[in-house]
This record gives sequence, structure tokens and C-alpha cells, in this order.
Amino acid sequence: AQSVTQLDSQVPVFEEAPVELRCNYSSSVSVYLFWYVQYPNQGLQLLLKYLSGSTLVKGINGFEAEFNKSQTSFHLRKPSVHISDTAEYFCAVTAGAGTSGSRLTFGEGTQLTVNP
Amino acid sequence: GAVVSQHPSWVICKSGTSVKIECRSLDFQATTMFWYRQFPKQSLMLMATSNEGSKATYEQGVEKDKFLINHASLTLSTLTVTSAHPEDSSFYICSAPYSGRYEQYFGPGTRLTVT
Repeated sequence: AQSVTQLDSQVPVFEEAPVELRCNYSSSVSVYLFWYVQYPNQGLQLLLKYLSGSTLVKGINGFEAEFNKSQTSFHLRKPSVHISDTAEYFCAVTAGAGTSGSRLTFGEGTQLTVNP
Repeated sequence: GAVVSQHPSWVICKSGTSVKIECRSLDFQATTMFWYRQFPKQSLMLMATSNEGSKATYEQGVEKDKFLINHASLTLSTLTVTSAHPEDSSFYICSAPYSGRYEQYFGPGTRLTVT
């Protein structure tokens, strides 16, 4: 089984500042990792994913994340945030090794609030 | 591509009535769909896995007789909340994996309010 811990429930930042949202996972097997964003009263939108290869993955809206196997982390970063980035962000994991369509395990979420 | 829709987007019903929520994959086929429940300021809680042509698999603690799931075709899964009560009020979200991919695509969610 997998588990995900998002270390910060709320992250307030000022516009144009950099931000890092932290995610750690636990698993006894290899995993695939995802970051999703949820705007109020909406479903989840995929920001980026790590399946294999380069540990630095780039996603939409200027976000990127780095997979660190030794630290079992997958932190999300953006060098300069905008007001429109205010949303809830979820880190998720699924078991890897060819099991497409498997269930996702989500973290508790991090509310990013960008202030002017 | 990989668009998932839900209908209705919001619904208000009286206690004791039943409500059906539809989840459709618009541009791909989904043999599996997932149903989640989300309370305010909380993460998604997986309720059940919907499988086309077979019975749904429910998570521990989820009443299968209360939350009826039917995966009628490769593009449609329905969740029926039977004999709804105010504590069933929540945001219900479905998702579907695109064949061969590992990420899931989410519907926009359905806000259910039981009065």
C-alpha cells in the first residue's frame, strides 16, 4: 500500500514570489507520482506526472516537480506565482510497474493562497 | 482529449429521496471509473471502483446498498444515492484512467445538498 503526506496544509505567498509545496510518499513498490490542482467547486486537473526518466518534470502553468527517490519526496515548485494560482493542490501516488488504471492515493492537500 | 463530464453539477433533494449522478468519458472508453467523495477543506475519499460489465468494488466503510453504482457502458457510470440524508451532503467526483496511461482524468464534480 502507498501513503502520501503533504507537509503543509496552507501556504500563503505574495504574488511573483517563488513557492514550494512539499510532498512525501511511502511505498514498498515502485510508484508513479502526480500533482493535481483543484479550483473551488471544480474537479481536479493534472499539473504534472513522474513515471520514469528525468527526475525533474515540468508541467502546465509553469510548475515543475522533482522526484527524489532517496528522500521519497516529490516537491512542487514555481519560480513566480500569480494570483490565479490560488487553489488547492494535491499530491497523489499509484503503484507503478505496468498497472495502468490503478487507484490513486491522495495527500491531504495544500491550500496555496497568493496575495497581491 | 480525455474529457470526463458529470451531470448534474449540483442538486438539492429532500431527505429520503434518491439522487442519480452520471459520469461520462466523452472522448475515450473507460472500463474502470472511480467515485470519490470530498468534504469541505478535505482530500478526496475513494468510495468505490466502477467496472464495466461487473459489480463495483466498494471501499471499506462505504455502504454499497446506499451508494449504488452501475457501469452501464464503456463511457458511462452512474452513482445513485438512495434514501439520502443530510449527512450525505457532499461533493462527489468521478475519475477515469485513459487506456494505457497512469494518470486519471476527473469530472467537474457534483454538489449534493440534502435538506
